[in-house]
Amino acid sequence: DSGVTQTPKHLITATGQRVTLRCSPRSGDLSVYWYQQSLDQGLQFLIQYYNGEERAKGNILERFSAQQFPDLHSELNLSSLELGDSALYFCASSVGQGGINEQFFGPGTRLTVL
Amino acid sequence: GEDVEQSLFLSVREGDSSVINCTYTDSSSTYLYWYKQEPGAGLQLLTYIFSNMDMKQDQRLTVLLNKKDKHLSLRIADTQTGDSAIYFCAEIRSGGSYIPTFGRGTSLIVHP
Repeated sequence: DSGVTQTPKHLITATGQRVTLRCSPRSGDLSVYWYQQSLDQGLQFLIQYYNGEERAKGNILERFSAQQFPDLHSELNLSSLELGDSALYFCASSVGQGGINEQFFGPGTRLTVL
Repeated sequence: GEDVEQSLFLSVREGDSSVINCTYTDSSSTYLYWYKQEPGAGLQLLTYIFSNMDMKQDQRLTVLLNKKDKHLSLRIADTQTGDSAIYFCAEIRSGGSYIPTFGRGTSLIVHP
């Protein structure tokens, strides 16, 4: 158990819909990262927040957005869903940024878009 | 091409050694990692090596780094069925955001 929790574990929805994925980082970790894992793209970094502020952006679509709240939990919002958005979405957290920056991954949310 | 490349599959017999290879393209990489992903779980950091090191050993794991060829390998001695997982190589580049760039992962299958 990494200490990072993600809800829900599974999500099945239809094209065009909007969903929200939730992540609670390990106690004491200030950084939260979101990744998308799919068979064709591998593990893609989406976005990072540090202590409530956006710090780095990766291959995140404009239809996707995220935020980190004062209690440090984070949400990833996916809208106008397409079939190709079906993937495993991982949240990870780390104490800070820089250095070895070990990231602790949650168990993931499996999103299926029908 | 991808920044970090790995072969997709490796199959070994229990008790043999496994060697998982990775190549990266950025010579400014400062840290290189190996993560392990077990079925149904997230990634877990297995080991890491600084770019100024050539080798790191941790129990059954040996990491070798060849900076000239930008080649990283992970050797697992006495491979067990519990080592069956996907292994990801990742690099962190200097002067950047400290976001690791991951390879696609190598699925290690251990046969009894």
